[in-house]
Amino acid sequence: ELKVEQNPLFLSMQEGKNYTIYCNYSTTSDRLYWYRQDPGKSLESLFVLLSNGAVKQEGRLMASLDTKARLSTLHITAAVHDLSATYFCAVDYSGNTPLVFGKGTRLSVIA
Amino acid sequence: EPEVTQTPSHQVTQMGQEVILRCVPISNHLYFYWYRQILGQKVEFLVSFYNNEISEKSEIFDDQFSVERPDGSNFTLKIRSTKLEDSAMYFCASSEGRGLIQETQYFGPGTRLLVL
Repeated sequence: ELKVEQNPLFLSMQEGKNYTIYCNYSTTSDRLYWYRQDPGKSLESLFVLLSNGAVKQEGRLMASLDTKARLSTLHITAAVHDLSATYFCAVDYSGNTPLVFGKGTRLSVIA
Repeated sequence: EPEVTQTPSHQVTQMGQEVILRCVPISNHLYFYWYRQILGQKVEFLVSFYNNEISEKSEIFDDQFSVERPDGSNFTLKIRSTKLEDSAMYFCASSEGRGLIQETQYFGPGTRLLVL
């Protein structure tokens, strides 16, 4: 059974600081996704990581994937309030298969 | 930009009643999914649908649930006899399904179901 663990589950950080969210998964997969969810809203796709060593960046967010360690990181650089949301990582076995989500990291960026 | 749409946005129902949640996937997508998220918890897979049949389903997707593609655009989730624990946000998603390595699932805005 594919399991996905995220940590931390809650993160309060000051504006301007850097931090990393970690996502571990239990079985071999080369496909990892990061989604953002604002309260009461849908899931917005942030990154799709498809190979070992993949790194993608968008604004203040950078995601990487180490398939050997079964670990993905989402790094936040110089946080701003607009980044406050819940971030989910998800893994699937191959394209068009069910996504298995982590529990999410609720990020709160404070002034 | 094409997007997945869902109706209704909110649904309140009495325990034991039937509900139908509707989704319009992105028009050229071939795979459709339902997920649910109980308040404050993680997103859980319910069922996937391809070529007019269920391709995978989870343990959650028991006999109370059914899915249908009644026409060329809609994809529905029916809960026959709702229970209190069915209260959740239900998300529809779709993906192209053409075997492209970069495929991803796109999620609709969700239907918040409250069973009283």
